Amino acid sequence: RKEVEQDPGPFNVPEGATVAFNCTYSNSASQSFFWYRQDCRKEPKLLMSVYSSGNEDGRFTAQLNRASQYISLLIRDSKLSDSATYLCVGNLGSGTYKYIFGTGTRLKVLA
Amino acid sequence: GAVVSQHPSWVICKSGTSVKIECRSLDFQATTMFWYRQFPKQSLMLMATSNEGSKATYEQGVEKDKFLINHASLTLSTLTVTSAHPEDSSFYICSARSRDTQYFGPGTRLTVL
Repeated sequence: RKEVEQDPGPFNVPEGATVAFNCTYSNSASQSFFWYRQDCRKEPKLLMSVYSSGNEDGRFTAQLNRASQYISLLIRDSKLSDSATYLCVGNLGSGTYKYIFGTGTRLKVLA
Repeated sequence: GAVVSQHPSWVICKSGTSVKIECRSLDFQATTMFWYRQFPKQSLMLMATSNEGSKATYEQGVEKDKFLINHASLTLSTLTVTSAHPEDSSFYICSARSRDTQYFGPGTRLTVL
C-alpha cells in the first residue's frame, strides 16, 4: 500500500463548479500535511497546510481527519486557472521533515 | 520570501558525462535541503536529504556514488549526476526547508542522449 494515495483523476469540471479531492495516508505517525499545486513541467507550489481544525483560504478549504487518516481539499467556484495537478503531501513524523508525495490528482476546469 | 533557485533549468548531455545541479535558498538559510526526481506522469520521489556540514542521507535504492550531494553552506546544495545515462533523464527538483515547510526550486530538466 502506498504511503499517500490519491485518485489520479482527471477530474473534468465546468467553471464555477465545486470539486473535492480526498487523499489517504498509511503512516499514523505523520504529523504535518499539505496540499501542493503543480502545473505541467513546473515545480510544486504550496497551496495550503492542513490542520485537524480545518482551514480555509478563499475558495479553498482543507481538512484533516486523523481518525480515518484522510485529507481533503475542496475548491469552490472553480476557475480555469485552477487546472493543475494537486499533490497531497505528508511528512513522516518523528521529527523528520521528509515529505511523502501522493501521485497527484489532475483537475481540468472547462469553460 | 522563501525563494529557491535552481541552476541550470535544463541540460542536455551525452551519455557518460557528469552534470552538476545547484540549489540555492535566496532569502533564508536552510540547514536541510532535499533532492527529488520526477518522471513523466509520476509523483516526486525523494532521492536524498542534504544536511549542511554533514553527509547526505539517501533513500533506499538511490546510489550515493552516482548522485553526489554536497551542502557546503546554509544556502547552497549541489547534486552531481555522475556518468549519466539515458535512464537518468528526468526532472530533478530541490527543496529547502524553512521551519516545517519545504519550498521548491523550479527544477532542472535533464536529458541524457
